[in-house]
Order: sequence, then structure tokens, then C-alpha cells
Amino acid sequence: DVKVTQSSRYLVKRTGEKVFLECVQDMDHENMFWYRQDPGLGLRLIYFSYDVKMKEKGDIPEGYSVSREKKERFSLILESASTNQTSMYLCASSSPPGPEQFFGPGTRLTVL
Amino acid sequence: GENVEQHPSTLSVQEGDSAVIKCTYSDSASNYFPWYKQELGKRPQLIIDIRSNVGEKKDQRIAVTLNKTAKHFSLHITETQPEDSAVYFCAARRTISGSARQLTFGSGTQLTVLP
Repeated sequence: DVKVTQSSRYLVKRTGEKVFLECVQDMDHENMFWYRQDPGLGLRLIYFSYDVKMKEKGDIPEGYSVSREKKERFSLILESASTNQTSMYLCASSSPPGPEQFFGPGTRLTVL
Repeated sequence: GENVEQHPSTLSVQEGDSAVIKCTYSDSASNYFPWYKQELGKRPQLIIDIRSNVGEKKDQRIAVTLNKTAKHFSLHITETQPEDSAVYFCAARRTISGSARQLTFGSGTQLTVLP
């Protein structure tokens, strides 16, 4: 059974803080993804990675960066958190050629 | 890039009735169309998917249809039950680079099944 875990379920940060969201998968998946979920906007892709140390911008990368130093771990970094980054953040992984993405439980981030 | 539109945003049905959710996509190169269900407070989970070489797929009470010409696909749930209440997301997939494949999601439909 695929397991995708995220470091925190809830996180509260102050404007300007540097924020790290961690995602770990235990199925040796090549692809990993970070989405943010907002009401009425669905899931929007921030960044994805198809291999260690490889990263690609998604649809809304502004204000975010990522790091993938190990295959099982994909980190999302908010260099200087802002209130408009308050959202639910979901991590997912997949392994080609299988198309299914497996999601983590999500991190609800509030930036005050 | 791909754009996926999903309708309706909310849907209420009586238990036992059918529910239909519709999505349209813009990129004719998209070739895979999954549907995810997200129950309250839980992670999205794949419930059914369809590839572009198939027009319809069924799994018990759930079916998905695809019209490539019109670039739209739909989720059909028959004999709805209270446990079907959730947010449903459609998505379309296209190849970006190498083996990387990006899903573009619709905005979601909150389905409520009334007892």
C-alpha cells in the first residue's frame, strides 16, 4: 500500500518567515508533486520533480521553491511567507508508466 | 497549457438518484482523464480513470464517458448513497518532458447525497 506522508497537518507561520513543508513517500516513486488546494480553484500544481535533483515549474511557482535531494523526499519552501499563501498544500507521487498519483494527507498552512 | 473546466460546483441529489459531473479540456494532446474523490478532511483518491482510446468505462455504480471530438468527459454515479458525499475532481494529463506527466485539475464539485 502506497504511503505518502507530510510533516505537519496544521502549521501557523508569520508573514516573512521561511517555511518548509516536507513530503515523504515509501514506494520508490520517481515523480513527486506539490499542489495547493483552494476553494473553487481545485488543485493547482506548484512544482514537480521527475528525478532526484530535478525540478520543473508547475502552473503557480511564484513565491515557492523546492528541493529533492533524495528520491523519497520532496520539500516545498516558502522563502518569505505571505498571507496569500495561506492554503492547503498537498503532496503526491507517481511512478511511470502508471498514471495514478497518490496523495498525502495535506498540510493546512496559515500565514498571519 | 491545459485548461480544465468542471461543472457544477455544487450538486445535491436524493439518495438513490443519479449524479452527473461534467468536465471540458482544452489541449487535444491530453490522453488520460482521472477522477478523484476527496471526502471531508481526507486526501484525494482515484476512483476511476479513462484513456483517450476508450469512450466509456464502468466500475459498479460509477462510469466515465469521454468525447474526444468535443473535448469533454463526464462522471456518472448511479444509485447514490450518503457515502458518495464528497468533493469530486476531474483532471486531464499531458506529457511535459521525458516521462514527466502533469495533471491539470478541475475546480471540483461538492456532491451532497440527501437521505
